[in-house]
Amino acid sequence: EAQVTQNPRYLITVTGKKLTVTCSQNMNHEYMSWYRQDPGLGLRQIYYSMNVEVTDKGDVPEGYKVSRKEKRNFPLILESPSPNQTSLYFCASSSTGYSGNTIYFGEGSWLTVV
Amino acid sequence: KQEVTQIPAALSVPEGENLVLNCSFTDSAIYNLQWFRQDPGKGLTSLLLIQSSQREQTSGRLNASLDKSSGRSTLYIAASQPGDSATYLCAARYNTDKLIFGTGTRLQVFP
Repeated sequence: EAQVTQNPRYLITVTGKKLTVTCSQNMNHEYMSWYRQDPGLGLRQIYYSMNVEVTDKGDVPEGYKVSRKEKRNFPLILESPSPNQTSLYFCASSSTGYSGNTIYFGEGSWLTVV
Repeated sequence: KQEVTQIPAALSVPEGENLVLNCSFTDSAIYNLQWFRQDPGKGLTSLLLIQSSQREQTSGRLNASLDKSSGRSTLYIAASQPGDSATYLCAARYNTDKLIFGTGTRLQVFP
């Protein structure tokens, strides 16, 4: 079954404590991306990756890092989380970034920073 | 600036009605437009994807149309059911590989 898997699904952490949200897809997709969803603002792209070792900033990259060492994994790293990073985070993937292929989303990760 | 707008923000209808959800985008140079469904606390499920060269796509009771020149897409849901209750999002994809989402239409279909 085609899947995008995110972990953890729910997390409460404290300001400044580094955390990583993992994302893995089993479809051999080249393109992967991270979004955050906030009330009234919709989904906004944080970072995306066209392939292994290729990453680029989206609309709201500040305070986040990513890496793409393997095709299937695209972790999102918050080096020093702050309360304004409290949000619902989604990872997504598709076969190639410039094609018209469907984008698959993970179930989301609820992050609260206190 | 590339923006995507969805109207209405919320919609409540009785079961059986045919309804139309609207999506507008400011930059018509899209690669494709995709409609998603999001259930509370869940991820996004792709419903329909329309390439920039296409006018419409259909899947079951859903039909999505695309008019690039006017910067509009509509999602038509025929014979709505309570199970259709969810938030519907449209997203426009551009050549920078950026996906711009609308803020969604929250649909409630009551029996």
